[in-house]
Amino acid sequence: DGGITQSPKYLFRKEGQNVTLSCEQNLNHDAMYWYRQDPGQGLRLIYYSQIVNDFQKGDIAEGYSVSREKKESFPLTVTSAQKNPTAFYLCASSIPGQTYGYTFGSGTRLTVV
Amino acid sequence: AQKITQTQPGMFVQEKEAVTLDCTYDTSDPSYGLFWYKQPSSGEMIFLIYQGSYDQQNATEGRYSLNFQKARKSANLVISASQLGDSAMYFCAMRDFSGGSNYKLTFGKGTLLTVNP
Repeated sequence: DGGITQSPKYLFRKEGQNVTLSCEQNLNHDAMYWYRQDPGQGLRLIYYSQIVNDFQKGDIAEGYSVSREKKESFPLTVTSAQKNPTAFYLCASSIPGQTYGYTFGSGTRLTVV
Repeated sequence: AQKITQTQPGMFVQEKEAVTLDCTYDTSDPSYGLFWYKQPSSGEMIFLIYQGSYDQQNATEGRYSLNFQKARKSANLVISASQLGDSAMYFCAMRDFSGGSNYKLTFGKGTLLTVNP
């Protein structure tokens, strides 16, 4: 079955360490996205990529970095510069121009201690 | 800039009754799409229903319908015959097709729906 795989589901890191969240899709979607969700907040866009080797900052990109070397993969690195990294991270993909919304992964809950 | 407002942080409904979750939006672009997603406690986002700004009729998908009032800029979700499994967080989202960033969805803060037996 096609879908988006995020791993791991739970991730713990020490403060000051960089950590990379994985997102892989086999839907042949060109566009991929990373969102952050905090309690009581909606989803906020971190980065998005419309095609391979290209990506744009979203609304809260500071302290994060991404790469898009393959169509199927869009990893997110949470750097030590991110002041409050503990959150739930959701990856999504879509077909550009398609009127319907995204397909989401199941999320990664990152806790920094 | 786009904005989505969900004014109900939490809602309660009795099983088998209908419930309306409110969503208002703000955009200056004539072409846009409105979405509702369900997020159970497990965290995944489940697409429920879509309404395009030029659609003449309100969208329906099974027990879900979208009450689209364009002049009021509202896109309320109506769930009929609520079930215990409907207890979840519900997000309204908007996609703007007119600008260069037309791939982005902007989300509201969500409404936590609890269905009581």
